[in-house]
Amino acid sequence: DAGVTQSPTHLIKTRGQQVTLRCSPKSGHDTVSWYQQALGQGPQFIFQYYEEEERQRGNFPDRFSGHQFPNYSSELNVNALLLGDSALYLCASSPGVGLREQYFGPGTRLTVT
Amino acid sequence: AQSVAQPEDQVNVAEGNPLTVKCTYSVSGNPYLFWYVQYPNRGLQFLLKYITGDNLVKGSYGFEAEFNKSQTSFHLKKPSALVSDSALYFCAVRGSLGSGYSTLTFGKGTMLLVSP
Repeated sequence: DAGVTQSPTHLIKTRGQQVTLRCSPKSGHDTVSWYQQALGQGPQFIFQYYEEEERQRGNFPDRFSGHQFPNYSSELNVNALLLGDSALYLCASSPGVGLREQYFGPGTRLTVT
Repeated sequence: AQSVAQPEDQVNVAEGNPLTVKCTYSVSGNPYLFWYVQYPNRGLQFLLKYITGDNLVKGSYGFEAEFNKSQTSFHLKKPSALVSDSALYFCAVRGSLGSGYSTLTFGKGTMLLVSP
């Protein structure tokens, strides 16, 4: 049973560019959340998708957008990249919503130069 | 708004000794609390959670956590530390009470270093 998978593992982009990160949830999970983890910090919630809709959003600008597909996989898009967007981006999945623990993927390390 | 504080950036303990990693929280309503561990270049792994019930919660790899409502704390403990326990530990609280959709608010993490 595969856990949460993310691609790519590492990514280097230039300021102003756009990036798409991908996540496949753990088998049987239909809810996907995205987090940004800056160096030396705890993960910060970006948004959560359930039934192909964004259900909740953290304090991130509209440059951060996402999508969930019918197979529950998800994408995170970031436009007009800033140096401050450099971070580890974590995807987490859970079986439905509510008080269920979230299972995290290994993350995508984004470096913006 | 909910928040989590992990007052120690780093905890050092000798192998075989008991360990404690501290966490305090602030949340409206009932707290739902979690501990995760992060090894280098890897994602977060779930250790344990408190939803309701016994104040002492047992989790993976011999870890446990003690919930104290009056002190708003949820400290992570292990009776006998292993070198392999060395990692970054995160405490988290469930957010967005009432919405029905659970998200997590994390502390900034505590690095645990276990020496041989």
